[in-house]
Amino acid sequence: AQSVSQHNHHVILSEAASLELGCNYSYGGTVNLFWYVQYPGQHLQLLLKYFSGDPLVKGIKGFEAEFIKSKFSFNLRKPSVQWSDTAEYFCAVIGGANNLFFGTGTRLTVIP
Amino acid sequence: DGGITQSPKYLFRKEGQNVTLSCEQNLNHDAMYWYRQDPGQGLRLIYYSQIVNDFQKGDIAEGYSVSREKKESFPLTVTSAQKNPTAFYLCASSIAGGQTYGYTFGSGTRLTVV
Repeated sequence: AQSVSQHNHHVILSEAASLELGCNYSYGGTVNLFWYVQYPGQHLQLLLKYFSGDPLVKGIKGFEAEFIKSKFSFNLRKPSVQWSDTAEYFCAVIGGANNLFFGTGTRLTVIP
Repeated sequence: DGGITQSPKYLFRKEGQNVTLSCEQNLNHDAMYWYRQDPGQGLRLIYYSQIVNDFQKGDIAEGYSVSREKKESFPLTVTSAQKNPTAFYLCASSIAGGQTYGYTFGSGTRLTVV
């Protein structure tokens, strides 16, 4: 069975700090990986996705993520966060079942 | 503009009543999904449909029912059998499979049982 683990439930950073949110998945086969963001009061939006090729993928708003197959990880990073990055971030995986499985989410609070 | 419309945005229900949440998409997507979002639990799959007139149970289907009579529509009924129905419900759609492009989400319906 597929599963996704997000290690941090709530992260608090000051503006300009660097961000790394952890995501690990369990599935032995080929996977497609996603990061979604949910800004306060808004619907889920796709930040970035990986399905093949370069394991370092770049998404919108300066976010990037690195797929490390040996570690079953797909951590999200941003060199310098802004107050507007305050949101909830969800890692998700599609594996053999062809359905999107989500992690429990990480709430990011950026302090101005 | 293409997208997914969920209605209503807020819904209140008395215990013991069934209620139906609407989800309509004009993206010409084949697949549609219903998720439930609870604090600290992320999103959990309730039901999904890859094609008209066919749907499958997700991880937490008990107490819910769906239909897929039209490609554009995938309504979710929360029945009185659902023990803890108060939650935020999200509908999504994708091209067949959704593996490459991910899903498009609606803005959600917040259901409160009073």
